[in-house]
Amino acid sequence: DVKVTQSSRYLVKRTGEKVFLECVQDMDHENMFWYRQDPGLGLRLIYFSYDVKMKEKGDIPEGYSVSREKKERFSLILESASTNQTSMYLCASSFWASGAYEQYFGPGTRLTVT
Amino acid sequence: SQQGEEDPQALSIQEGENATMNCSYKTSINNLQWYRQNSGRGLVHLILIRSNEREKHSGRLRVTLDTSKKSSSLLITASRAADTASYFCATDAGQGGSEKLVFGKGTKLTVNP
Repeated sequence: DVKVTQSSRYLVKRTGEKVFLECVQDMDHENMFWYRQDPGLGLRLIYFSYDVKMKEKGDIPEGYSVSREKKERFSLILESASTNQTSMYLCASSFWASGAYEQYFGPGTRLTVT
Repeated sequence: SQQGEEDPQALSIQEGENATMNCSYKTSINNLQWYRQNSGRGLVHLILIRSNEREKHSGRLRVTLDTSKKSSSLLITASRAADTASYFCATDAGQGGSEKLVFGKGTKLTVNP
């Protein structure tokens, strides 16, 4: 079974802090994603990585950066956390199966910025 | 960029009834996928239907796709309390298959025992 793990289920940080969210997948998938999920807005893509050290901005990259030094690990960085970044953060990885990419998700990190 | 829109936003039914959720999208697709999310958890892939397919079954799930209407439906038959979750459609609109999926906002299904 594919396993995608996220470093924390719940996180509380203060405004202005630098925050690291870690995601690890164990199936050698090339693609990894960070989403945020907010009520009424669904899932929105923050960043996407298709290979080590390669990244692509998603729909809402402002205020975030990412790092992918190893294939299995994709980190999301909030340079200076703000209250409007309070959200559920979901990491996913994907692979090509039978003519399409299916995504596998981690359990999510609920981040509260106070 | 929201591609899929699910309908209804929320659905409440009794155990044993069928649940139908719909998804509409705007642009041509290569495939459409449905995912389930239990409360406070990550999404789980349920089923994928390609643009050249009209219907697909997996256990109690039945998915249809109408590319002329740019819409899909997910039917869960003989629902159970454990089916209570949010259901999302996701479209892959890239040429030859895109790594990125665009998710709708979801339908929240409640199955009452």
